[in-house]
Amino acid sequence: TQLLEQSPQFLSIQEGENLTVYCNSSSVFSSLQWYRQEPGEGPVLLVTVVTGGEVKKLKRLTFQFGDARKDSSLHITAAQPGDTGLYLCAGDPSNTGKLIFGQGTTLQVKP
Amino acid sequence: ETGVTQTPRHLVMGMTNKKSLKCEQHLGHNAMYWYKQSAKKPLELMFVYNFKEQTENNSVPSRFSPECPNSSHLFLHLHTLQPEDSALYLCASSQDSTDRVNTGELFFGEGSRLTVL
Repeated sequence: TQLLEQSPQFLSIQEGENLTVYCNSSSVFSSLQWYRQEPGEGPVLLVTVVTGGEVKKLKRLTFQFGDARKDSSLHITAAQPGDTGLYLCAGDPSNTGKLIFGQGTTLQVKP
Repeated sequence: ETGVTQTPRHLVMGMTNKKSLKCEQHLGHNAMYWYKQSAKKPLELMFVYNFKEQTENNSVPSRFSPECPNSSHLFLHLHTLQPEDSALYLCASSQDSTDRVNTGELFFGEGSRLTVL
C-alpha cells in the first residue's frame, strides 16, 4: 500500500490548459514537499507546505496543503511545454529524516 | 547544477561484475542518501548516512554495499546484481537527516542509469 497516492499518474494536455495533481494519504504529515523531475535529471524541490490549509504560489503553480495535513494539491494555470516533467510529492511521516515519495504524475504539455 | 555530482551517468554491467557508483556533494551538507528509481514505481529510499554514520538501511539486499568515507562522498558498491536491479540510482544530500526544524529539502544528483545484463 502506497503511503502517498498521487493522481493522475499520467496527464497529457495542450498548451494553455489548466490542470490539478493530487497527493493523498491516510497519514498526517508535518510538511509535504513537491518536486519536479525532468528527463535525465534528478528531482528538484518546488515548494514545501507546512501549515494545514496553507496555499503557496510559484508563478503559475499553486500548491495547497489540506486542513488535516493529509493531502496536497498542485494546480498549474495555462500550462506551458516547459512544465513537462514528472511531479513528485514527498513527506516524512515519522519525522525521522526518511523522506518517502509518491509514485509521481507524468505531465506532458503539447505545444 | 545542484551541487551534487554522480558518476558514472550510465553503467552497463554483467551479473558477475563488481562496480561502484560515486556521489559527491559540494553543499556542506551532513546527510547523504541513496534512492532507487524504477519505471512506474515510487522512489525507494535505500540508505541514509548522517554525519558519516549509517542511520537507515531500508531492507536492501547485501549485493548493494554503501560506503561513506566523509560527509561529502558516498559510494554504492555493486556486486552480483540481478537484471531487476536495473534502474536509475539517485544520490541526494540534505543539511541533516534528523533536524526536525529543517524541512529536510533534498538536493539530488542527476543519477546513474544502471543496466544489468
